[in-house]
Amino acid sequence: AQSVTQPDIHITVSEGASLELRCNYSYGATPYLFWYVQSPGQGLQLLLKYFSGDTLVQGIKGFEAEFKRSQSSFNLRKPSVHWSDAAEYFCAAGFQKLVFGTGTRLLVSP
Amino acid sequence: SQTIHQWPATLVQPVGSPLSLECTVEGTSNPNLYWYRQAAGRGLQLLFYSVGIGQISSEVPQNLSASRPQDRQFILSSKKLLLSDSGFYLCASGTGNFEQYFGPGTRLTVT
Repeated sequence: AQSVTQPDIHITVSEGASLELRCNYSYGATPYLFWYVQSPGQGLQLLLKYFSGDTLVQGIKGFEAEFKRSQSSFNLRKPSVHWSDAAEYFCAAGFQKLVFGTGTRLLVSP
Repeated sequence: SQTIHQWPATLVQPVGSPLSLECTVEGTSNPNLYWYRQAAGRGLQLLFYSVGIGQISSEVPQNLSASRPQDRQFILSSKKLLLSDSGFYLCASGTGNFEQYFGPGTRLTVT
C-alpha cells in the first residue's frame, strides 16, 4: 500500500538554527512529491514540489528539499529558522490522488 | 493562480441534523476537486474526489456524500450527522501537474 511517513511528530528548533524535517514514502513508482505548511486553523500552503530533474528543489519562504531515490526520502530543510516558521508541515506523495503524512509540528524557541 | 473558497468557516450542528459544505474555485477551469477531513494527529484523509461535473469517487465508506453540480463547485453533504463526523474539512483543487491548492477549511463540531 502507498504510504508517507513523517517520523517526527514534534520538533523544537531555536530561532536562527537550521532545520530538517524527514519524509519517507512507499510507492510503486516514483511519485510526485510535495511539502505543505499549515498554520493553526488554516488551509495548507504548498511550499515546494518535485516532479523530476534536479533532486534539490527550492521553494517559497527559503525552504528547500532533497529527493533521494535510494532512500525513498524527500526531506525538507531550511538553513535558518524564523519564529514565523512555527507551524505544521505535511509531506505528500502521489499523482492525481495524494497520500499525506501525519505531519510534523515545528516549534521555534527564542 | 487559483483561489478556493469554503463556507461556512465554522459550524456547530446537532447529531442527526443535515449538513451542506460548499467549495468554489476561481482562476481555473475543469479542475480536479477534492474533499479531505483532517483529524488531530492523523494527517489528511481523502474523502471524495471529482474529475468533472457529476463525476464523484468515494474513497472511504461513510456517512457523507459529495456532488459537483458545476465545474468549479463541490459540495459535501450528509443527511444525518454523527458525532464522528466532527473535524476540519478541507477542499482542494488540483492542477494538471498534480499540485493541489487548498481552501481555508471548515471546522465542524457535531454535538
